[in-house]
Amino acid sequence: ETGVTQSPTHLIKTRGQQVTLRCSSQSGHNTVSWYQQALGQGPQFIFQYYREEENGRGNFPPRFSGLQFPNYSSELNVNALELDDSALYLCASSEGQGGEKLFFGSGTQLSVL
Amino acid sequence: GQQLNQSPQSMFIQEGEDVSMNCTSSSIFNTWLWYKQDPGEGPVLLIALYKAGELTSNGRLTAQFGITRKDSFLNISASIPSDVGIYFCAGKGGSEKLVFGKGTKLTVNP
Repeated sequence: ETGVTQSPTHLIKTRGQQVTLRCSSQSGHNTVSWYQQALGQGPQFIFQYYREEENGRGNFPPRFSGLQFPNYSSELNVNALELDDSALYLCASSEGQGGEKLFFGSGTQLSVL
Repeated sequence: GQQLNQSPQSMFIQEGEDVSMNCTSSSIFNTWLWYKQDPGEGPVLLIALYKAGELTSNGRLTAQFGITRKDSFLNISASIPSDVGIYFCAGKGGSEKLVFGKGTKLTVNP
């Protein structure tokens, strides 16, 4: 059974640029959630996708957008990067629309200079 | 929105000691989860709780779903060096998505 995988592991961007982060969900899971974890903080919910549709969104601006594909993999896109976007971005997969048990990938560490 | 208060923020203990940490919510939760995160890694699920008063163990770890449904507790018995890491509580109520505490950083001195 393959776990959640994320790419890339590290990324450096400059302010104003755009970034795309990718996630492959765990086998058998059809729901993907994205979280942002700033240094020294707990993960903050960005949004969730269930069967290719957005299924809930946290308090993040519209420049944070996402996609889920038919194979349940997912992308997180961030436009017009700001310095405060520097964080660890975590993807988690779960089973079913209301699945609470999230299984996380190792994350993508994004640095915005 | 829902907020979680997790305490203590950090703990420094000797190997072999027991550890207790807790989490309180401003609202009622239906699910409590406890995760552990090592440096450079994503959180790993330790224990899931679904019912008020529920007590669940995973090896040396024991967690409880508070009877008020607004709190949860995690205990680690006979700590060992590999217990080092950051422990997060997470809760979910109603149609809300999973919300995380700020974590308890555990240091174990051999």
